[in-house]
Amino acid sequence: QVQLVQSGSELKKPGASVKVSCKASGYTFTSYAMNWVRQAPGQGLEWMGWINTNTGNPTYAQGFTGRFVFSLDTSVSTAYLQISSLKAEDTAVYYCARYDFWSGYSNGWFDPWGQGTLVTVSS
Amino acid sequence: QSVLTQPPSVSGAPGQRVTISCTGSSSNIGAGYDVHWYQQLPGTAPKLLIYGNSNRPSGVPDRFSGSKSGTSASLAITGLQAEDEADYYCQSYDSSLSGNWVFGGGTKLTVL
Repeated sequence: QVQLVQSGSELKKPGASVKVSCKASGYTFTSYAMNWVRQAPGQGLEWMGWINTNTGNPTYAQGFTGRFVFSLDTSVSTAYLQISSLKAEDTAVYYCARYDFWSGYSNGWFDPWGQGTLVTVSS
Repeated sequence: QSVLTQPPSVSGAPGQRVTISCTGSSSNIGAGYDVHWYQQLPGTAPKLLIYGNSNRPSGVPDRFSGSKSGTSASLAITGLQAEDEADYYCQSYDSSLSGNWVFGGGTKLTVL
């Protein structure tokens, strides 16, 4: 079955970096774009951006430029999110989600989602 | 502040019908972009509930239905069950500079 499995929880100090992985299985990895979504504690979902799994070209939403980097290793069907210069406000659950669509590329949805990776930034 | 507006909370008794609204604007829902809905049970990842305004993925009960009109969309849940207690999010595409894909702020459904 189609599945996204993310790496485990991380506890980091302010200023450090973290790299979250998202391993896909059950489908052709390069046939679907991969998105990243943030959920701060007690808050809603926030779209961070996406990466074209064919070209590796990333697109970042406003507020997620500079310290956030999306990357791929297509040989192991895995997408990565790296966050540098971590701040306390980066504390959140980060989800990867596969993008699918049927009637126009912009009309798509996210399915499935990874189980989420909790990144805690604290001194 | 989310581009798509949802009520923070709704509630209903078991067996009742509830609706959750998702209000957008001319740059997203009103521009003709589809609306999708997700259910997030406590402590779990979001799960696709409705796609393309009104379509249910395999395995989603027909108690859940979606509709869209003008700049708004709605999720209806009939025959409310205790296990429906969750957060619900709408999602669409926004063509303005604010971003690409956008979510509503989420609605907490409480089953009384």
